[in-house]
Amino acid sequence: EVQLVESGGGLVEPGRSLRLSCAASGFIFGDYAMHWVRQAPGKGLEWVSGISWNNVGIGYADSVKGRFTIVRDNAKNSLFLQMNSLKTEDTALYYCAKGTLGSAWFSWLDSWGQGTRVTVSS
Amino acid sequence: DIQMTQSPSSLSASVGDRVTITCRASQSISDKLNWYQQKPGKAPKLLIYAASGLPSGVPSRFSGSGSGTEFTLTISRLQPEDFATYYCQQSYNTPLTFGGGTEVDIK
Repeated sequence: EVQLVESGGGLVEPGRSLRLSCAASGFIFGDYAMHWVRQAPGKGLEWVSGISWNNVGIGYADSVKGRFTIVRDNAKNSLFLQMNSLKTEDTALYYCAKGTLGSAWFSWLDSWGQGTRVTVSS
Repeated sequence: DIQMTQSPSSLSASVGDRVTITCRASQSISDKLNWYQQKPGKAPKLLIYAASGLPSGVPSRFSGSGSGTEFTLTISRLQPEDFATYYCQQSYNTPLTFGGGTEVDIK
């Protein structure tokens, strides 16, 4: 069974940094693209970033480009999101999601974690 | 960026009804369209991939169709557990983008 467990969320002041983690199990992590998707309170889904299995393909939403960095450690079955220069509008529940196998790294998201909450407020 | 527009934004239906949700893309996305179901307080769940593909475990009352810029999600006979919010998502290029969601509630 695929399991994705996010951690690292919390309350942080604007301008500060936070690092989210996603621990994966139940599948061959190194074979799949991985993504972060967020959902602001009472709002819809927003894709944040994605990374191919081999780090060749990496993408970001315009709203986070230059501030967020996605990283994966295939040896530790882990995905990370380094979030710098946080803004109040980054407040959301952040989901880790499993993408597809191989080179088509931006595709559907077939498994999701339960999310970790990030609140940016002074 | 490709804009995804869902309609309606909400609908009320009864158990047993046939429900159709539409998603339109701002440019042609071939069949690179996926649908998700989200229940309150829960993570989204993949419902349909590549416009019409049904993942293992998803009931056959769910179906998807369309290509290019217009797509539909159909629930043939609404069940109590289907009351949720539904999102479309394009995977034609990055940034991946979602529609605004369609909330299906009980009439």
